[in-house]
Order: sequence, then C-alpha cells, then structure tokens
Amino acid sequence: DVKVTQSSRYLVKRTGEKVFLECVQDMDHENMFWYRQDPGLGLRLIYFSYDVKMKEKGDIPEGYSVSREKKERFSLILESASTNQTSMYLCASSLIRRSSGANVLTFGAGSRLTVL
Amino acid sequence: EDQVTQSPEALRLQEGESSSLNCSYTVSGLRGLFWYRQDPGKGPEFLFTLYSAGEEKEKERLKATLTKKESFLHITAPKPEDSATYLCAVQAAFNKFYFGSGTKLNVKP
Repeated sequence: DVKVTQSSRYLVKRTGEKVFLECVQDMDHENMFWYRQDPGLGLRLIYFSYDVKMKEKGDIPEGYSVSREKKERFSLILESASTNQTSMYLCASSLIRRSSGANVLTFGAGSRLTVL
Repeated sequence: EDQVTQSPEALRLQEGESSSLNCSYTVSGLRGLFWYRQDPGKGPEFLFTLYSAGEEKEKERLKATLTKKESFLHITAPKPEDSATYLCAVQAAFNKFYFGSGTKLNVKP
C-alpha cells in the first residue's frame, strides 16, 4: 500500500512564526498536493506539484509556499503564520494512470495546526 | 461552475437501518468520481472509484453507484463502526479535483 506520511500530527505556533509541514510518500508517485480542511468548507487546494522542483498554485495559495526538492517529499511553508491559518492540513499523492485518466488521491493522516 | 454537493450534511441511523448518501456534481470532462471515508482527526481513506454512468462498486456493507449527475453511497445494515464522515470527490480535466463537504454518519447501537 502507498503510504503518505506527514511528520507532525499536531502543532501549536505563535502568530508570525515560520511553519514547515513535511510530507513524504513512498511509492514513487508523480503528483503531490497540499489541502486544508475546515468545517463547512470541505477540502481546498493550496498547492500541487507534478514533478520535482515544479509547483502550481491551487485555489488558496496566499500566505503559503511549497518546496519539492525530491520526488518523494513535498513541504508546505507558512512564512508568517496567522490565526486564520489554524486548520487541518492534508497532504496527498497520486500516480498518473494514463490508461483510465483517473487519479486516486492517497492522503496522509493530517497535520492539525493551531496558530495563537 | 464546477462543483460537488453532498447531502445530507449529517445522518443518524440505528444499527441495521439501511440508507443512502448523495453526491451531486456538475463537472466538465469527468475523469472519475471517488468516495472516501474520514474518521475524526485522520486523513481521508479511499473507498471507491467510479468512472462512468451505470457503474457500481461494492465493499462489505457499502455500495457506490454513478449516474451522469450524481452518485449514491448505499449503506446496508450499518454497524456503529461505519460511523465516519464520507467524502465525495470528482476529478475533472487537467487533474483538477473537486470535493464535497461530506456527510457525517452516526450509527447508534
């Protein structure tokens, strides 16, 4: 089974701090994604990457940046954390299935970030 | 506008009381529709992929069906361990995913 590992399950940070959320997948998937999940708003895409050193903005990239130096690792960076970034952050990966066109997303366990 | 709507938002069932969850979608160029289960404080866990209208998939007490406008997740004789939030997602062209807000299912013993 594909495993997507998020290094931190729970974090508490102060406003203005720089925050790193790390995600590693172990099955050579090409695509990696960062979502945030908030009650009533569902999952919203922050950034995604389809290759090493490549990144694309999602629906809500403001206040975030990402890094993908290696294929298996995708990091989400909050340059200066704010209280409205308190949320559950979910990393996901997918393998391009060229025959079907459908891409199953495999999620990590999530990182619950609280910004005080 | 591409979007996914799930209903109901919450559903309370007695153990053994069968029911269905709905996922309505308007998406251009559907590549696939996905159902996930999410337990509190955890990431979504993949259940099913449906590719085309008329397709059905089953897993234990769960059965997913797909039409051109909606999908249903049927739960037959649910047990308390089926309690979770069920998420629906659709994949459109260019690897774009749209998620519903989920249905929170609570099965009472």
